[in-house]
Amino acid sequence: AQRVTQPEKLLSVFKGAPVELKCNYSYSGSPELFWYVQYSRQRLQLLLRHISRESIKGFTADLNKGETSFHLKKPFAQEEDSAMYYCALRGIGGSQGNLIFGKGTKLSVKP
Amino acid sequence: DSGVTQTPKHLITATGQRVTLRCSPRSGDLSVYWYQQSLDQGLQFLIQYYNGEERAKGNILERFSAQQFPDLHSELNLSSLELGDSALYFCASSVGVGGFQETQYFGPGTRLLVL
Repeated sequence: AQRVTQPEKLLSVFKGAPVELKCNYSYSGSPELFWYVQYSRQRLQLLLRHISRESIKGFTADLNKGETSFHLKKPFAQEEDSAMYYCALRGIGGSQGNLIFGKGTKLSVKP
Repeated sequence: DSGVTQTPKHLITATGQRVTLRCSPRSGDLSVYWYQQSLDQGLQFLIQYYNGEERAKGNILERFSAQQFPDLHSELNLSSLELGDSALYFCASSVGVGGFQETQYFGPGTRLLVL
């Protein structure tokens, strides 16, 4: 079964603390992994994708095929990072272009 | 705004009724996707259209239908509404069929409340 699991509904940290939002997936083929973010009163937007291997707003995520994980990390959280974060996957080479989402983790960064 | 637009923003209706949600993709995007976001199920894919043709189907109920018009805007029709249909409905668009490295851009959503 194709599934994305984000075990934490809510993650609360203090400003300057490290952050790790967990994402595990189940997919039979080759997946493309994404992190989407939704700030308050804004639309869902792409944060980063595994294939880019880049850092966006200080966030990085590494695809670990052995552990089927794609955790999102940031060494020093900022208050403006407070948002809903969704992990998503899409099959590479499949006939469908839709994304499969996890249920999201709400990150709250306290001052 | 050249991004994905959705109307209306909010919709309140009664059980048994029918509503239509509208989505206009980004300029140049040929694919439109519909997703339903509810508290218990999260974001679930409903259906995808590409250049006017149905491309993929997800967990879409038979009471729901969609279409994409020649100008590429899409409508999602929800009929015989039930309380459980209350949710946020997102539309997204992408340039192609949703292949490798293709980004999906999301609209602001339509919040539907069925009373």
